[in-house]
Amino acid sequence: DAKTTQPNSMESNEEEPVHLPCNHSTISGTDYIHWYRQLPSQGPEYVIHGLTSNVNNRMASLAIAEDRKSSTLILHRATLRDAAVYYCILRDVKGTYKYIFGTGTRLKVLA
Amino acid sequence: EPEVTQTPSHQVTQMGQEVILRCVPISNHLYFYWYRQILGQKVEFLVSFYNNEISEKSEIFDDQFSVERPDGSNFTLKIRSTKLEDSAMYFCASRGTGPMGYTFGSGTRLTVV
Repeated sequence: DAKTTQPNSMESNEEEPVHLPCNHSTISGTDYIHWYRQLPSQGPEYVIHGLTSNVNNRMASLAIAEDRKSSTLILHRATLRDAAVYYCILRDVKGTYKYIFGTGTRLKVLA
Repeated sequence: EPEVTQTPSHQVTQMGQEVILRCVPISNHLYFYWYRQILGQKVEFLVSFYNNEISEKSEIFDDQFSVERPDGSNFTLKIRSTKLEDSAMYFCASRGTGPMGYTFGSGTRLTVV
């Protein structure tokens, strides 16, 4: 089973920031936090990952709680093209790096 | 930006037939994966492949499934005798070294009739 918990769905207005939460209370010290998104009829798309520190890239920011038991993906200005299912996944640095996907958060962006 | 390419985008096959799904991973990636997603359900791990051998497989990946890297560029998933319940989107993915994520292809929709 997925080791993360996310809300089933969220809505945002276009041009506004979106904060997508994820709980991972059983995270281990070697787990990286990865975020993917899946647009309709497409494969998952890598968004961002982090271990302990907050991370920024051109797509989003990742804020990681100090105890690492939760994280938040931040889209700074949502666009209609950001409507997708967002997955928060823990990936152990050991092993084959397989992902166990949960049901994710379906983000609706309102014009 | 480099892409993982999957062909065909859609395949229809009769139950009991063999199918081969093809993938061209990113050229300098070393780790390869297949996942599937039945309509309306979660994305599920099937198999991981490294150094010309399977490194891990799920319970779904039974004797009907096989993977191969026949040359330096292609990575294939074969289903020997398809069943109706094999109907799904099949995603290929590849990654390089380090903690970076994968790059997924856009998938092959397999319909077994």
